[in-house]
Amino acid sequence: QVQLVESGGGVVQPGRSLRVSCAASGFTFSNYVMHWVRQAPGKGLEWVALILYDGNVKSYADSVKGRFTISRDNSKNTLYLQMNSLRPEDTAVYYCANEYSNGWFRFEYWGQGTLVTVSS
Amino acid sequence: QTVVTQEPSLTVSPGGTVTLTCASSTGAVTSGYYANWFQQKPGQAPTTLIYGTSNKHSWTPARFSGSLLGGKAALTLSGVQPEDEAEYYCLLYYGGAQPWVFGGGTKLTVL
Repeated sequence: QVQLVESGGGVVQPGRSLRVSCAASGFTFSNYVMHWVRQAPGKGLEWVALILYDGNVKSYADSVKGRFTISRDNSKNTLYLQMNSLRPEDTAVYYCANEYSNGWFRFEYWGQGTLVTVSS
Repeated sequence: QTVVTQEPSLTVSPGGTVTLTCASSTGAVTSGYYANWFQQKPGQAPTTLIYGTSNKHSWTPARFSGSLLGGKAALTLSGVQPEDEAEYYCLLYYGGAQPWVFGGGTKLTVL
């Protein structure tokens, strides 16, 4: 069965860095576009970033561009989000999700999320 | 800045039918926006219901359907069940530097 398991969340001070990970299993990881989506407490979903199959194409939301870096290691079936210069407004649950781009832009599975809290 | 708009809240009776919509600030939503719809229950991660405007996953209950309606993407629930009470989000594809934008979500109450 497909599993996406996020880890690495925690409490971090403003201006500091944190890396969250998403371990994937149950599907051919390298065949999927991968996304990070976040949800601030009590708020809606916000798309954060995506990375294509071999990692050579990445896109970011304006709110994180220049501060966050998405990457993947297909040999480890793992997705990463490096978050630098963190701000209180980055406090959110961070979800990873997979997308099968067969012409339908087919989102499929989501992880359970990892909570990142930016606070002094 | 692109804005995707959903009804903030809707109420439906058990067994009834309700349609949730998803509008784009850029104009009419077409099949080229590849609308995806997600369900999120309190304290849980989202689950994907619909992709490519109207395609269901194997796990999507038959009472859920996606379509285009009046220049918007739409999610219709027919024969609503109490367990359908949840937040529903649409996601539209715009391509370019920021390819995906979520709607603000619709809180569906079954009462």
